[in-house]
Amino acid sequence: AQSVTQLDSHVSVSEGTPVLLRCNYSSSYSPSLFWYVQHPNKGLQLLLKYTSAATLVKGINGFEAEFKKSETSFHLTKPSAHMSDAAEYFCVRNTGGFKTIFGAGTRLFVKA
Amino acid sequence: NAGVTQTPKFRVLKTGQSMTLLCAQDMNHEYMYWYRQDPGMGLRLIHYSVGEGTTAKGEVPDGYNVSRLKKQNFLLGLESAAPSQTSVYFCASSTDGRQETQYFGPGTRLLVL
Repeated sequence: AQSVTQLDSHVSVSEGTPVLLRCNYSSSYSPSLFWYVQHPNKGLQLLLKYTSAATLVKGINGFEAEFKKSETSFHLTKPSAHMSDAAEYFCVRNTGGFKTIFGAGTRLFVKA
Repeated sequence: NAGVTQTPKFRVLKTGQSMTLLCAQDMNHEYMYWYRQDPGMGLRLIHYSVGEGTTAKGEVPDGYNVSRLKKQNFLLGLESAAPSQTSVYFCASSTDGRQETQYFGPGTRLLVL
C-alpha cells in the first residue's frame, strides 16, 4: 500500500539553528510530493511541492526539500529556524486517482 | 478573493443529531475535498468531488454524505452523529487531482457528546 512516513512526531530546535523534518514514502512510481504547514487553529498552507521537474525544491519562508529516489525520502530543511516556524508540518503524496496520503505530521517547536 | 471558507467554525452536537457543514470556494476550482483530522493521524479523505454534480468516496466515508449541487459549494452531512465523529473537518479545493496544490479552509471543529 502507498504510504508516507514522517519519522519524528516532534522536533525541537533553538532559534537560528537548522531545521530537518524527515519524510519517507513507499515507492511505486514517481510520486507527486508536497509539504504543508499548519499553524495553530489554522488550515494547511502549501510550503513546496515536487513534481519531477527538479530534485531540489525551494518553497516559501526559506524552506526547501530534496527528493532522493534512491532513499525514497523527501526531507524538509531550513538553514535557520525562526520563532514563527513553530507549527505542524505534513508530508503529503498524491498517487493519482485523487488519492492523497498525509503523513501523521511533525510538530516543530522553536526555542528562544 | 476569500479562497476557501467553511461554516460553521465550531459546533457541539448530541449523539444522533444531524448537521451539515458548508464549504465554499471562489477560485473556480473543479475539485473539492472533505478531510477529517485526528491527533496523530494526519488528514484522512472522507469524500471528494471532481466537478459539479459528482461525488466519490474517500478513505473514511462511513457516516457521512456529501453533495456538490453548485461548483463553488461542497456540503458534508452527518445524518446521525456519533462520538467517533468528533474531529476537525477541513475542506480543500484544487484545479486538478494529482499534481496541483490543494487550498484548505480554516477548519470546523466538531464535538459530539
